[in-house]
Order: sequence, then C-alpha cells, then structure tokens
Amino acid sequence: QTVVTQEPSLTVSPGGTVTLTCASSTGAVTSGYYPNWFQQKPGQAPRALIYSTSNKHSWTPARFSGSLLGGKAALTLSGVQPEDEAEYYCLLYYGGAQSNWVFGGGTKLTVL
Amino acid sequence: QITLKESGPTLVKPTQTLTLTCTFSGFSLSTSGVGVGWIRQPPGKALEWLALIYWDDDKRYSPSLKSRLTITKDTSKNQVVLTMTNMDPVDTATYYCAHSWIGPTTDYFDYWGQGTLVTVSS
Repeated sequence: QTVVTQEPSLTVSPGGTVTLTCASSTGAVTSGYYPNWFQQKPGQAPRALIYSTSNKHSWTPARFSGSLLGGKAALTLSGVQPEDEAEYYCLLYYGGAQSNWVFGGGTKLTVL
Repeated sequence: QITLKESGPTLVKPTQTLTLTCTFSGFSLSTSGVGVGWIRQPPGKALEWLALIYWDDDKRYSPSLKSRLTITKDTSKNQVVLTMTNMDPVDTATYYCAHSWIGPTTDYFDYWGQGTLVTVSS
C-alpha cells in the first residue's frame, strides 16, 4: 500500500513564507509523479493550485509555487495572506500496468 | 466554462450498491486527453482518489478498492457513473468528481464538482 506523507500542520505569520512537502513511501518524488497540489477550505470543494510539479492554473495566485525539494514535492507560499489558511493536499501519480493516483494526508496551514 | 455536478442517493444501507452520476458541461469526454475522476472525503478526514476514466475508455482504479468499483461513461449524455458495491458505514463520505487532462508531459485534475454527501447507515 503506497503512502503519501505530508506535514500534519504548519503555522506561518502573515507576510511570511512557508514550504509544505509531499513524500512517497516508494522513494524520491520525481517529475514523473506529476505532483498536483490542492487547497481546501472548510465546507468547500478542493481547488487546484499546481500541476506537474510547478505549473500554475490560470487562477492560481502568484505567491504559490511548486518544486521538487530533497526527494519530495514541495509547495511554497510566499507573502502569506490570511485567506491562505486552509488544508493543502498533494496528489501523486503512480504509473505502471495499474496506474493510479494517491493523495497525501493533508497539511493544515494556520496563518497566525 | 467547465462545470461538474455529482448526484445520487444521500443515504444507503450497508451491503447495498451505491451509484453516483457526474454530469458535466464545458468539455467532451470524446476529446483526446480528457478524463473524469472520482475522489471521496470522509467527514473530517483526507481526500482519497477512487477512479478515473479517459476519453478512450481506459479506466484506472484505486488498488485498495478496485474489486468494489466500476466507472463508466456516457459521452452522449456528458455523464460518468461510479458504482461501489457492498457499502459499509466507513464509506460515509463526500464524493467528488473532477475533470482531468493527460498530455505527453503532464497529467492533472483541475475542475471539481461541489461534492455529494453519502451516508451509509441502516
């Protein structure tokens, strides 16, 4: 059973910078895992932010960026705003004969 | 403008089969590269990817749930249907469908439906 691991919670001050990471139990995350990142606020559906490691959707604020960092996928928020307080999920693609996707457990980001 | 909406029963009994429909607009599931996936989220818990169907009828399933899931499409109706057999109270969750795109160097989910809460209880 593949497990994708994220930090359970992080806290950042308004205007600060924070990096969330996403690790795979199978080893280093590479671009071939097509890392996707989503933001979810209470009572709302997830909203897509980043795809294929570092690509932004047309609606993604410029302060969000994606990368690979130390064998993990990473989501960095620069100049954090109060409205960025939310749960963040990564999603990784596992290829092969029975390819599938696996979500991480989510990171609760508190802006304080 | 791409939109998706999930529909189906709000309450099912244990051992019953759940059938959910995703009705979408703004894209065609006959277009190369397009897919529609299903994701669920138990109350207060993380998202869980369930299944995905592509424009060419290729289907992918979560390995842990594969024996219970079936995903189909009706291109003429702009609908994707997910069935899950032998429902259990642990399957209580909000079920989402989402638009997907696969390309030579990219693969992603972008637009999501609002979700539908399914409760499993006798």
